[in-house]
Amino acid sequence: EVQLVESGGGLVKPGGSLKLSCAASGFPFNIAWMNWVRQAPGKGLEWVGRIKSEVDDGTAVYPAPVRGRFIVSRDDSKNMVYLQMDSLTTEDTAVYYCVADWKHAGSFDSWGQGTLVTVSS
Amino acid sequence: EIVLTQSPGTLSLSPGERATLSCRASQSVDSTYLAWYQQKPGQTPSLLIYGASSRATGIPDRFSGSGSGTDFTLTISRLEPEDSAMYFCQQCGTPPYTFGQGTKLEI
Repeated sequence: EVQLVESGGGLVKPGGSLKLSCAASGFPFNIAWMNWVRQAPGKGLEWVGRIKSEVDDGTAVYPAPVRGRFIVSRDDSKNMVYLQMDSLTTEDTAVYYCVADWKHAGSFDSWGQGTLVTVSS
Repeated sequence: EIVLTQSPGTLSLSPGERATLSCRASQSVDSTYLAWYQQKPGQTPSLLIYGASSRATGIPDRFSGSGSGTDFTLTISRLEPEDSAMYFCQQCGTPPYTFGQGTKLEI
């Protein structure tokens, strides 16, 4: 059974930092491209970063709103993916989902349950 | 950035009817990288359709996807009450990967 379990969410002040973790199991993690997607309360889905598998060069890419503030990393020895978030603003308040593309069929195959990040003073 | 615009914003239909959801892209999308997701209230999004027209594992054949270029459609035939959800289209071929704003389907 595919499982993606996020942790590390919580309340943080504007300007602060937070690091989210995602534990993956049930699929070949070493070939998966891992993504983070967020959803602000009552809003739609927003992709915030992706890291390729190490065999595909392991590079990460980000959309403009988070580029330079968010970093996605992975540890294949632990089947873990991380999202380091710096210089947080209230606009970053959202549920953050860890999402795996492991079938490489042009979609996000498996989603975690999400972890809530609240940026507030 | 490829902008995906979904219509209608909300769709209210009765059980047994057919739903047609539209997703229009601001520029051409490779069909290989066009997907649809379903998100029921309080739940995580889940993959419905990938490659514009292929059903994900376990998805009933009442759900079908079609389209190419800039116009894509999700069709749900013989609606059931449990189909009430938000539906999002997504392109993941060209970063930044983008989602449509969603269509709320009420049964």
